[in-house]
Amino acid sequence: AQSVTQLDSQVPVFEEAPVELRCNYSSSVSVYLFWYVQYPNQGLQLLLKYLSGSTLVKGINGFEAEFNKSQTSFHLRKPSVHISDTAEYFCAVSEGDYKLSFGAGTTVTVRA
Amino acid sequence: SQTIHQWPATLVQPVGSPLSLECTVEGTSNPNLYWYRQAAGRGLQLLFYSVGIGQISSEVPQNLSASRPQDRQFILSSKKLLLSDSGFYLCAWSGGVGSQPQHFGDGTRLSIL
Repeated sequence: AQSVTQLDSQVPVFEEAPVELRCNYSSSVSVYLFWYVQYPNQGLQLLLKYLSGSTLVKGINGFEAEFNKSQTSFHLRKPSVHISDTAEYFCAVSEGDYKLSFGAGTTVTVRA
Repeated sequence: SQTIHQWPATLVQPVGSPLSLECTVEGTSNPNLYWYRQAAGRGLQLLFYSVGIGQISSEVPQNLSASRPQDRQFILSSKKLLLSDSGFYLCAWSGGVGSQPQHFGDGTRLSIL
């Protein structure tokens, strides 16, 4: 069974600074990878997904993520954050069946 | 385009009372449907999923049940709520499995008194 570890529970960052959110997964088979964002009291919104092909994936709101198979990682980055990026971010992995396994989440707080 | 509706947005219920949360999807047919619970400061726990009308799979033993009376309707229920049932409940749909991402509703905040 797959599992997901988000290495940072909280990431404070200043406005216009870059941010990286780390995600590692474990699985014995090929996987599909996702990043979601959750604003307070809302559902999860898909930021980006890796299915196959290029290991650098671009998503919405200026986010991108890089899949590294040898390190079983899928880190999320944004070169310059805004106050509106304050939210919780979830990494998720699927082994190809119905189940999507989520990490515990990383809370990003952007300060002016 | 596809949309997912979840209601109510917030709910306060006494211990021992029944529960019914509803989720509907528009703009797609035969979706996979999911119920998750999110406890404060924690990730998402899959409670139930359904691949078709009347087909429900439970992920964890609990005080809750789910039903799918129509193709795009998913209901989460309880006969008697416990304090531990408090949390944020999220419904999601997907067009398939594996490579198909799940799309979430806005959630229901359930508080048990």
